[in-house]
Amino acid sequence: AQSVSQHNHHVILSEAASLELGCNYSYGGTVNLFWYVQYPGQHLQLLLKYFSGDPLVKGIKGFEAEFIKSKFSFNLRKPSVQWSDTAEYFCAVGNTNAGKSTFGDGTTLTVKP
Amino acid sequence: DAGVIQSPRHEVTEMGQEVTLRCKPISGHDYLFWYRQTMMRGLELLIYFNNNVPIDDSGMPEDRFSAKMPNASFSTLKIQPSEPRDSAVYFCATGRPYGYTFGSGTRLTVV
Repeated sequence: AQSVSQHNHHVILSEAASLELGCNYSYGGTVNLFWYVQYPGQHLQLLLKYFSGDPLVKGIKGFEAEFIKSKFSFNLRKPSVQWSDTAEYFCAVGNTNAGKSTFGDGTTLTVKP
Repeated sequence: DAGVIQSPRHEVTEMGQEVTLRCKPISGHDYLFWYRQTMMRGLELLIYFNNNVPIDDSGMPEDRFSAKMPNASFSTLKIQPSEPRDSAVYFCATGRPYGYTFGSGTRLTVV
């Protein structure tokens, strides 16, 4: 069975600080990896995804994530956060042969202006 | 592309009443998922369909909950009878292995 662990439940940063949110997964096969963002009062939106190829994936709004297979990790990064990045971030892992993804518990990011 | 369309956006109902939530998926997306989100329990997968067939309903909390997908363009989630602890935001999502598209959700309040 797949599982996803997001170690940080709540992260508080000041504007312009660098961000790294941890995500580790457990699955023995080939996986698809995702980060979703949920702004306050809104629905989840796909931020970026990894299927194969370059392990450094670039997404929208300056976010990127690096897939490290040996560590079963897919951490999300952004060099300089903005107040508008305040949101909840979900890591998810999917099986390439199935449609279902398993979501982590989410990390709430608060950016102070 | 109109995205995933959910209705209603908000629903307030009295305990014991039947509630029906609706979802229109994106055309061509062969998976459909129903999620529930609360502060206490986070994001929970209730049930999902593949090509209109229910694949896994192990997340449905009780027999009071039921879901159908009569065709590729429509799905419903029904709660009968509703209880205050069912209050949550219910999301429908569609997609394939390469990522989900979520609807805007239905905020259900059972009083």
